[in-house]
Parts: sequence; C-alpha cells; structure tokens
Amino acid sequence: DAGVIQSPRHEVTEMGQEVTLRCKPISGHNSLFWYRQTMMRGLELLIYFNNNVPIDDSGMPEDRFSAKMPNASFSTLKIQPSEPRDSAVYFCASSFKWQGATNTEAFFGQGTRLTVV
Amino acid sequence: AQSVAQPEDQVNVAEGNPLTVKCTYSVSGNPYLFWYVQYPNRGLQFLLKYITGDNLVKGSYGFEAEFNKSQTSFHLKKPSALVSDSALYFCAVTLGDSWGKLQFGAGTQVVVTP
Repeated sequence: DAGVIQSPRHEVTEMGQEVTLRCKPISGHNSLFWYRQTMMRGLELLIYFNNNVPIDDSGMPEDRFSAKMPNASFSTLKIQPSEPRDSAVYFCASSFKWQGATNTEAFFGQGTRLTVV
Repeated sequence: AQSVAQPEDQVNVAEGNPLTVKCTYSVSGNPYLFWYVQYPNRGLQFLLKYITGDNLVKGSYGFEAEFNKSQTSFHLKKPSALVSDSALYFCAVTLGDSWGKLQFGAGTQVVVTP
C-alpha cells in the first residue's frame, strides 16, 4: 500500500481564495483524521470521520473550514475564504477501528504545506 | 476530556547515552497510548503503542515505553541514543471505548549530539 496520500504537497494562495486539500486514506481503513500543525499551536485535531461520517468537528476553527468524505477512499478539507493565519501544515491520517473497541495506530500522510499571502 | 502533557520542549543527550522523553496523560477511561516521531518536512511516523497487557512495550528503532497507570505516564526510552534519533517526538492518547479521537501532546524536540 502506498500509505496515506495527500495533495498538493505545497500550496501558495492569496488571501480570500478558496483552497481545497485532498486525502486518500489507506485502503481498508475506516477512520480518517485531519490535523493542522503550527509552531504556535502544535498539532490540532480539526475533524475526524468514522465510516465516512463526521464524528467530531469541534476542532474546526470556524465556518470558513469544511470537510467532506464522500466515500471511503477520499476526503477533502476546504477553506473558503482563506486567510494568512490559516498558513500551516495540514496532515491527514487514517486508521482502522473495530466496533467499540481497539484502534490501530494512525498512519499519517506527508502533509500539505499551505501558505496564504 | 482527555489530554496529554509532554513537560519538556527539548531534550539534549549525547550519542550513546540513554534517552528518555516524558509523557503524562489524563483520560476518564482506559487509555490507548502512542508515540510518534516526526523528521523535518515529513509526516508523523508511528513508533509504538500500548493497548493492553504488558506495561513495557517495544517499538521501532530500539525504542520502548513503559505504561504506568498509577502515575498516568507513558515515557519513551532508548538505552543508547543515536545522532539519527534527533527529531520531534509526540505522545498521543485515545480512549479505548471511544470512536477514536486521537489527542497529541505538544511534542518534544530531541537533540542527540555526537
């Protein structure tokens, strides 16, 4: 398996533009996480899905952020409109969770480095 | 609520010396605990995990960690550090009976000098 695949690896955009980050989880995994990493705030969990359903989106900063998982092999994180303070590295991770019990470890993608100017 | 604390921003150690990276957790239930490592401009790589059973778990690259329920700790250790172990280390916790919210600590930068 190629692991968790994120695209693009780097994105530079102007303030006010829409940005879409993409993630392909590991085949067979049923949990998907979006994290944001900054120097100031470290790793923040934005949202996670289980079986394509958003379980907890309490970490999503504001309404400008939205995430979807239309099927088990694809997820997007959208920022509209983008602002300079959104500049960060965004990671996607996936894992497999058995019903009500054990998690496997999460596997991370390489991240998308977003710069909003 | 669940949380993870890594009390040290940075740990400095000479090559060949033992390395310890501290982690304490707070959860209201049975914790599942993880250690990850991040090299510059890379994603996080899994090192080891504690789910249940033996309190001492062994992982990749010679690392191990000990789960201590009474002290709510899960410290990462390596008997003899290498320069290549220099990286950012993250402890993470999730609840065993939850739907998998994985909470990370702030991270500890490990610097191993030759």
